[in-house]
Amino acid sequence: AQSVTQLGSHVSVSEGALVLLRCNYSSSVPPYLFWYVQYPNQGLQLLLKYTTGATLVKGINGFEAEFKKSETSFHLTKPSAHMSDAAEYFCAVRAQNSGGSNYKLTFGKGTLLTVNP
Amino acid sequence: GAGVSQSPSNKVTEKGKDVELRCDPISGHTALYWYRQSLGQGLEFLIYFQGNSAPDKSGLPSDRFSAERTGGSVSTLTIQRTQQEDSAVYLCASSLADRVLRNEQFFGPGTRLTVL
Repeated sequence: AQSVTQLGSHVSVSEGALVLLRCNYSSSVPPYLFWYVQYPNQGLQLLLKYTTGATLVKGINGFEAEFKKSETSFHLTKPSAHMSDAAEYFCAVRAQNSGGSNYKLTFGKGTLLTVNP
Repeated sequence: GAGVSQSPSNKVTEKGKDVELRCDPISGHTALYWYRQSLGQGLEFLIYFQGNSAPDKSGLPSDRFSAERTGGSVSTLTIQRTQQEDSAVYLCASSLADRVLRNEQFFGPGTRLTVL
């Protein structure tokens, strides 16, 4: 069974500061990895994903994440926070295997990002 | 349509009543998913459709929950005899096809259900 742990349910940063949101996964086989963002009263929007290839992936709005197999991590970063980045962020995994539950996403509990002026 | 749409956006109901939540996926998307987002449980998978069939209903929390999909398009999630613990945001997502495992799931805005 897969699981996702997001360290810190709430992260607060100053505008212009580095954003670091942590995500660790547990899976017998490295899964596909995703970060979604949810703005208030809206659905989930995909920020970026890792499937194969380069382990450093770049997404929208200046975010990037690095897949580290040895650490089973997929932390999300952004060099300089903007006020508009304030939202809830969800890390998710999806199994790579061709059988079993390889279609559903398993989400972490989410991290609420606050950006202070 | 341009994206996944869900209706209603908000639903307030009394305990014991039945509710129907609707999802219109992106045109051409054969795979459709329902998730539930609640304060205590976070985001949970409920059910998955490939075309009109639901190979996996394992996430449905009880037999009061059911879902159907007709014409390979619109899906309806029905909750019978609602309970207060059913209060949550119900999210629908669609994707091109689950066989290509990297296909992105596009999410709708959700239906916020409040059971009084």
